[in-house]
Amino acid sequence: ILNVEQSPQSLHVQEGDSTNFTCSFPSSNFYALHWYRWETAKSPEALFVMTLNGDEKKKGRISATLNTKEGYSYLYIKGSQPEDSATYLCAFFSGGYNKLIFGAGTRLAVHP
Amino acid sequence: DAEITQSPRHKITETGRQVTLACHQTWNHNNMFWYRQDLGHGLRLIHYSYGVQDTNKGEVSDGYSVSRSNTEDLPLTLESAASSQTSVYFCASSDHSAGAGELFFGEGSRLTVL
Repeated sequence: ILNVEQSPQSLHVQEGDSTNFTCSFPSSNFYALHWYRWETAKSPEALFVMTLNGDEKKKGRISATLNTKEGYSYLYIKGSQPEDSATYLCAFFSGGYNKLIFGAGTRLAVHP
Repeated sequence: DAEITQSPRHKITETGRQVTLACHQTWNHNNMFWYRQDLGHGLRLIHYSYGVQDTNKGEVSDGYSVSRSNTEDLPLTLESAASSQTSVYFCASSDHSAGAGELFFGEGSRLTVL
């Protein structure tokens, strides 16, 4: 079974702080890496899907980078706002395994 | 607007009963998935389908089955519900093959097995 690790497990920051999380995945047979934002009592929503080593994606104050050779992706949030409070999930798709496997998530709380 | 809907949203059942959770999408996506959400585990893949008549086991498939008779629906059946299957279940769909397409999730179905 493939292991997708996310760190930290939870994070508390103050409004205006910038923060980042890590997603680690097996570096062999890489095909795609997904990031999702999951607010309490809602469904996960996609932020990014990245497929190429060195990919950088940006949506507003949120950005992500990808290193497939070493098996990690970073998600950055610049100037955190209370509405950024959510669980951030990454998911890895391996060409050999042929299914999308999620990490346990990083729970972010942004305090006013 | 295209959407993905799950029913029922909440279900309480007894140990040993058969339960079916419905998932219907109007995106016309080939790929459909069932995940369960458990504390400390995030989302774990139960079953998935990459097209009509195609079904595959995920990480935690024991005690569950799915069927795909058309593009729009992937019902999840618990053959004999157990307390360990108390969870929130999410159905999702995507349009690209091989993991390159983002998943669109339903609202979730909360199942309690007493």
